[in-house]
Amino acid sequence: KNEVEQSPQNLTAQEGEFITINCSYSVGISALHWLQQHPGGGIVSLFMLSSGKKKHGRLIATINIQEKHSSLHITASHPRDSAVYICAVPTYGGATNKLIFGTGTLLAVQP
Amino acid sequence: NAGVMQNPRHLVRRRGQEARLRCSPMKGHSHVYWYRQLPEEGLKFMVYLQKENIIDESGMPKERFSAEFPKEGPSILRIQQVVRGDSAAYFCASSPPATQNEQFFGPGTRLTVL
Repeated sequence: KNEVEQSPQNLTAQEGEFITINCSYSVGISALHWLQQHPGGGIVSLFMLSSGKKKHGRLIATINIQEKHSSLHITASHPRDSAVYICAVPTYGGATNKLIFGTGTLLAVQP
Repeated sequence: NAGVMQNPRHLVRRRGQEARLRCSPMKGHSHVYWYRQLPEEGLKFMVYLQKENIIDESGMPKERFSAEFPKEGPSILRIQQVVRGDSAAYFCASSPPATQNEQFFGPGTRLTVL
């Protein structure tokens, strides 16, 4: 079993739809990252959160530490939101905070 | 404050050549992580360095790969005698000393081995 699992793996939506991507993890964590990667592109950090909820524009990230689950929501989705969304958690304890990544969710928003 | 810089952005090498990938962390950041993304696979940790020290290299192949982060200059990931299986996107991330949790990613170097 992977330490970080995302669902769905692929998601197609119509412009304007509300989108939810889920992330579950099995390790103890101090924080969880949501990242965005456009095809052939670099990685952009969207959120880092350790509790509750964060909002940035049309993006909302929530985390439930007890349930070891996080969600990324996109309101009023737009074709430019099409990308791979990746959740990642740092290894817990030790001298390093190296990240363990989920396999990513490929989102395609159609006009 | 410029972000994390990586160069080159694209690198083509023939089998057996050497590849050198550079990462300049954000100003004030003394921690650097290297991650690799193989085609059709997720990102995987390779190595974690602080200035002049390798802290964790558990994700780096034992042969042909090496990394350094000198006192002056960028961090270097070096791959000797490249093989086709080394073709991947290599990302570095940097973090400040006080908040290692927050990592800022560079644009990546896409290595193609012919």
